Amino acid sequence: DQQVKQNSPSLSVQEGRISILNCDYTNSMFDYFLWYKKYPAEGPTFLISISSIKDKNEDGRFTVFLNKSAKHLSLHIVPSQPGDSAVYFCAASAFSNDMRFGAGTRLTVKP
Amino acid sequence: EAQVTQNPRYLITVTGKKLTVTCSQNMNHEYMSWYRQDPGLGLRQIYYSMNVEVTDKGDVPEGYKVSRKEKRNFPLILESPSPNQTSLYFCASTGLADRGQFFGPGTRLTVL
Repeated sequence: DQQVKQNSPSLSVQEGRISILNCDYTNSMFDYFLWYKKYPAEGPTFLISISSIKDKNEDGRFTVFLNKSAKHLSLHIVPSQPGDSAVYFCAASAFSNDMRFGAGTRLTVKP
Repeated sequence: EAQVTQNPRYLITVTGKKLTVTCSQNMNHEYMSWYRQDPGLGLRQIYYSMNVEVTDKGDVPEGYKVSRKEKRNFPLILESPSPNQTSLYFCASTGLADRGQFFGPGTRLTVL
């Protein structure tokens, strides 16, 4: 039972444009959401997070939006750069360190 | 430099031959966990540990064992590996007051 779903396995955008990665979850107990970025042959690295008491968190070019009523979050990257090409994982936890991860979305940013 | 290290990075073995993948962190983190990554399934938690001598099952613990005798180390043991354990394995750690995990570089295991 996948509690965190990333329905788009891949996304391709042009350099300079906006990348929007989506994530849906089913467990209403989740209170913390994170995005990780993964390059080939490396472990995932933490990118940005958001608590369930917020609906937006921004860090430079990266913004995460949380819509609790729809159980949906999204990661916006503006402007997208070729170095952003990676696999992005959405993750969620419920009042603990235990994480549930989505299957990942491979982002390709074309020069 | 804060890091999580895993060894070996690559391993090819045969069914039934016991193996251990080591994991070590230098951040004095209490919480450590093991994940496996499979295509279309993302990262699934195998086991986790809240502190020394405290371990618990994650979502996919069958066929795996762990131990936490020291705070910095959290080895993953496959007593009798099978081909369905062919996967990419990640160790991760975090402080209990934090939620973002530090991941190791991964171990690619192939069981023939």
